[in-house]
Amino acid sequence: DVKVTQSSRYLVKRTGEKVFLECVQDMDHENMFWYRQDPGLGLRLIYFSYDVKMKEKGDIPEGYSVSREKKERFSLILESASTNQTSMYLCASTPVWDSNQPQHFGDGTRLSIL
Amino acid sequence: GEDVEQSLFLSVREGDSSVINCTYTDSSSTYLYWYKQEPGAGLQLLTYIFSNMDMKQDQRLTVLLNKKDKHLSLRIADTQTGDSAIYFCARSGYSTLTFGKGTMLLVSP
Repeated sequence: DVKVTQSSRYLVKRTGEKVFLECVQDMDHENMFWYRQDPGLGLRLIYFSYDVKMKEKGDIPEGYSVSREKKERFSLILESASTNQTSMYLCASTPVWDSNQPQHFGDGTRLSIL
Repeated sequence: GEDVEQSLFLSVREGDSSVINCTYTDSSSTYLYWYKQEPGAGLQLLTYIFSNMDMKQDQRLTVLLNKKDKHLSLRIADTQTGDSAIYFCARSGYSTLTFGKGTMLLVSP
């Protein structure tokens, strides 16, 4: 079974901090994705990556950056956290550069910015 | 309107059938998906259907696709309290998936 692991289930940070959310997948998937999920807004794509060191902006990249130094790891970075970035963050991966493959999700990180 | 639309809430009694509906605007999607999200968890792939199919059945789940009307539905037979969750419809696109906002299914005993 595909395993997508997000490093923290719950995280509390302060405004202005630099925050790192980590995601690791164990199935050698090329594509990895970061979403945020908010009530009434569903899932919104922040960034995705289709290869090491490659990244593409999603629908809401402002205030975020990403890093993909190794194939199995995709990090989401909040450069200077703000309260409106309090949300549930979900990481996903797919095996090939083919959006028809279903995405496999981690359990999510619930981030609170105080 | 939204690219993928779902009703936000559905309430059923245990043992009844549940039908969750989804409409989409982009007819070029090759696959359409249903995901389930239980409280505090990530999204779990339930089932998917290829765009040239009308129906797919998998145990208690039946997916119906009306490509002409761009309408997708998920029927859950004999709904159980453990089926209470948020259900997301998603369509495949060029580089990623586009999700609906999710339908919260509440199953009462």
